[in-house]
Amino acid sequence: EAGVAQSPRYKIIEKRQSVAFWCNPISGHATLYWYQQILGQGPKLLIQFQNNGVVDDSQLPKDRFSAERLKGVDSTLKIQPAKLEDSAVYLCASSLEISPSSYEQYFGPGTRLTVT
Amino acid sequence: AQTVTQSQPEMSVQEAETVTLSCTYDTSENNYYLFWYKQPPSRQMILVIRQEAYKQQNATENRFSVNFQKAAKSFSLKISDSQLGDTAMYFCAFMAPGGGNKLTFGTGTQLKVEL
Repeated sequence: EAGVAQSPRYKIIEKRQSVAFWCNPISGHATLYWYQQILGQGPKLLIQFQNNGVVDDSQLPKDRFSAERLKGVDSTLKIQPAKLEDSAVYLCASSLEISPSSYEQYFGPGTRLTVT
Repeated sequence: AQTVTQSQPEMSVQEAETVTLSCTYDTSENNYYLFWYKQPPSRQMILVIRQEAYKQQNATENRFSVNFQKAAKSFSLKISDSQLGDTAMYFCAFMAPGGGNKLTFGTGTQLKVEL
């Protein structure tokens, strides 16, 4: 079975520019997560979708970050405008469902963003 | 809110030896799950082992085993017969069902396996 796909793998932009990341979860997985991993830290959840609805976006800086999951499959995370502190790896993960019996999260390879 | 603490930023071990990575957590939940994830330089997070808090028996997956001490809120990972391919960043993570299955990660331990 194909894993979680993300693109691009690397992105370098200047501050105040915009950037978008794409994630394709494992087929049939209803729940999708975006995590931000700053160098030297563990991943931090930005937003969680159940199908195409938002379950948790409490840690998403909504003044500059946005995310959508149209049709409950692929998802896009956007930053506009980017700041230096947004330099990080952005990880996408998916799980079968939100129920405790199907909780295991499968991660994609991540996108490393460098803001200069 | 839950917190996960990994107090060992870096560790090294000789090939074929055994190493233990420490993790402590804080929560008021009674039912939860604990995980160890491995992140090699490729950045892909790989699940190593999981433990359900309601299970008293410590989880084991081949060379990987945990020492789960619920009262002490401690969850350490033991890697036996260390291999060069075990070199990676290891993250301890916590999840409480009902909270959307959000994972709370520690800051990680960089493990280096040496010849």
